Amino acid sequence: DMKVTQMPRYLIKRMGENVLLECGQDMSHETMYWYRQDPGLGLQLIYISYDVDSNSEGDIPKGYRVSRKKREHFSLILDSAKTNQTSVYFCASSNTYAEQFFGPGTRLTVL
Amino acid sequence: GEKVEQHESTLSVREGDSAVINCTYTDTASSYFPWYKQEAGKGLHFVIDIRSNVDRKQSQRLIVLLDKKAKRFSLHITATQPEDSAIYFCAASSGTGGYKVVFGSGTRLLVSP
Repeated sequence: DMKVTQMPRYLIKRMGENVLLECGQDMSHETMYWYRQDPGLGLQLIYISYDVDSNSEGDIPKGYRVSRKKREHFSLILDSAKTNQTSVYFCASSNTYAEQFFGPGTRLTVL
Repeated sequence: GEKVEQHESTLSVREGDSAVINCTYTDTASSYFPWYKQEAGKGLHFVIDIRSNVDRKQSQRLIVLLDKKAKRFSLHITATQPEDSAIYFCAASSGTGGYKVVFGSGTRLLVSP
């Protein structure tokens, strides 16, 4: 069953708190992505991972870091969250140069 | 870097009509152009793609056209149905940035009965 999962689905944090968003995939895809979606801006790439411990900055990496210790898991970490990081975060995975499979998203609110 | 502009922010059609969503891109090296659909409260779902070695691709009611000279591509949805209502995103990738794909800002399509 080809699936990308994200946990949690909804999260409310206070400014300055740390945030951990988790993503899993069961397709053994090498490449995984983290995006954020804001109204009118489409999806913006935060980080891309080409495999375990092989991560690369996307277009908006500032304020974020990632961890990929197993091929099937990819984490997004916000150290000391800011109010402007309130957004919907999507994880995706793909096999080489092909379609991406997206998770259901995490709605993060930073107060 | 690559920039993708999606021209229609909203589009309303009647059931049975065709809908056309247009996108332009800036990087002449772009060679892969996927389209995604997002239903309310859900993640994106791949619908169709086209690569630069062809200028037309069809999958059932979906047709994608690519004009490399004009750096323009479009999604045509024929015989629209209410369940086609969603946000559609175009995207482009050159491959030079790994597997990075740059997305347009989305078009909200509303198909009314």
